[in-house]
Amino acid sequence: GQQLNQSPQSMFIQEGEDVSMNCTSSSIFNTWLWYKQDPGEGPVLLIALYKAGELTSNGRLTAQFGITRKDSFLNISASIPSDVGIYFCAGQGTSYDKVIFGPGTSLSVIP
Amino acid sequence: DTEVTQTPKHLVMGMTNKKSLKCEQHMGHRAMYWYKQKAKKPPELMFVYSYEKLSINESVPSRFSPECPNSSLLNLHLHALQPEDSALYLCASSQVLRVGANVLTFGAGSRLTVL
Repeated sequence: GQQLNQSPQSMFIQEGEDVSMNCTSSSIFNTWLWYKQDPGEGPVLLIALYKAGELTSNGRLTAQFGITRKDSFLNISASIPSDVGIYFCAGQGTSYDKVIFGPGTSLSVIP
Repeated sequence: DTEVTQTPKHLVMGMTNKKSLKCEQHMGHRAMYWYKQKAKKPPELMFVYSYEKLSINESVPSRFSPECPNSSLLNLHLHALQPEDSALYLCASSQVLRVGANVLTFGAGSRLTVL
């Protein structure tokens, strides 16, 4: 079945640094979603991407839908302590109605 | 109103108990989902309802029984659970269920502990 890989698995960065994480798939996706989850809470949607090559920003966050439709990346600029959490990519394939999730990237920000 | 509300936030139950988790949304979404999430793992799909009909069951054991009484409500009935069923149960909704473009809005989850 379809599977997503995320890298890195975890990151420890200094406050103020920029962050980059990515998500890859062996098959083509129609939609890429990026979620952030705080401990004990549900995932919160950060950015949704619908077209190959699309670049979308949400404040300090920028995400792109890869041109091959098999990958996506998320960048966070000038990280702050509240960016701490687990970032999940999620997506849907071209003939698939289920949203599947990547394993997540755990982000820690050192003040 | 752009949120999914789940109750209770925490639930502790014995293996012989019967309990229910509830989920409500008032965004007019017609697809609703139950996900199970273990610590440090991604959410795993359990069930999907589309227009109040069960559309997807990911081979979930019968001790979990979903119900969608109307377009705003989704329940998960629990009976004879095992300790390994302890997890965060997440409800989500999307406008409709369609190939290739479902954007899920999640609730805060119900933390279930089975003793």
